[in-house]
Amino acid sequence: GESVGLHLPTLSVQEGDNSIINCAYSNSASDYFIWYKQESGKGPQFIIDIRSNMDKRQGQRVTVLLNKTVKHLSLQIAATQPGDSAVYFCAEKDNYGQNFVFGPGTRLSVLP
Amino acid sequence: ETGVTQSPTHLIKTRGQQVTLRCSSQSGHNTVSWYQQALGQGPQFIFQYYREEENGRGNFPPRFSGLQFPNYSSELNVNALELDDSALYLCASSEELTTDTQYFGPGTRLTVL
Repeated sequence: GESVGLHLPTLSVQEGDNSIINCAYSNSASDYFIWYKQESGKGPQFIIDIRSNMDKRQGQRVTVLLNKTVKHLSLQIAATQPGDSAVYFCAEKDNYGQNFVFGPGTRLSVLP
Repeated sequence: ETGVTQSPTHLIKTRGQQVTLRCSSQSGHNTVSWYQQALGQGPQFIFQYYREEENGRGNFPPRFSGLQFPNYSSELNVNALELDDSALYLCASSEELTTDTQYFGPGTRLTVL
């Protein structure tokens, strides 16, 4: 069945360093992926998305890479800041294009 | 902040009781999706409402039900509460069925004792 998972449950980085958060997905038919950021006490917030016809997409300080061959997704955050501390989820669109399947999340902690 | 609001913010119930959670969608959004997020896990899709009709359901039992009103606000009802129903319940609104751009509310934290 469909499943989305993350390699690391927690990640600690020094302020100013780059962060890389990884995600593995199992459904090769998924064609749309989103990274969400969830801060404490808030709902998930859209960060960046990518469709399966692309392998890289850049936003402001964030880059998403998609490797369809190994079904792997990553989120790169440049010059990580304290405000980036949160839980990050990858989510894939299911076969019916109706709802997203979320991974378990990675907690990013930014050290001063 | 998104324009999606949820009430109440916290709720404590006992096993066997019933609960109703509410969601007001962002202006102009006619699609509402509900998710359950257990502690330390990602959100799981419960169901979606579009123009007052259920439009898709995840792997949740029938005691999870919902409504959408003409103003596109929505309710999630859970009957016969179980301990495992303790979770953060999120609603997300979007335009015209597409969930590609969905905006989440802050959630309702439900504790079942």
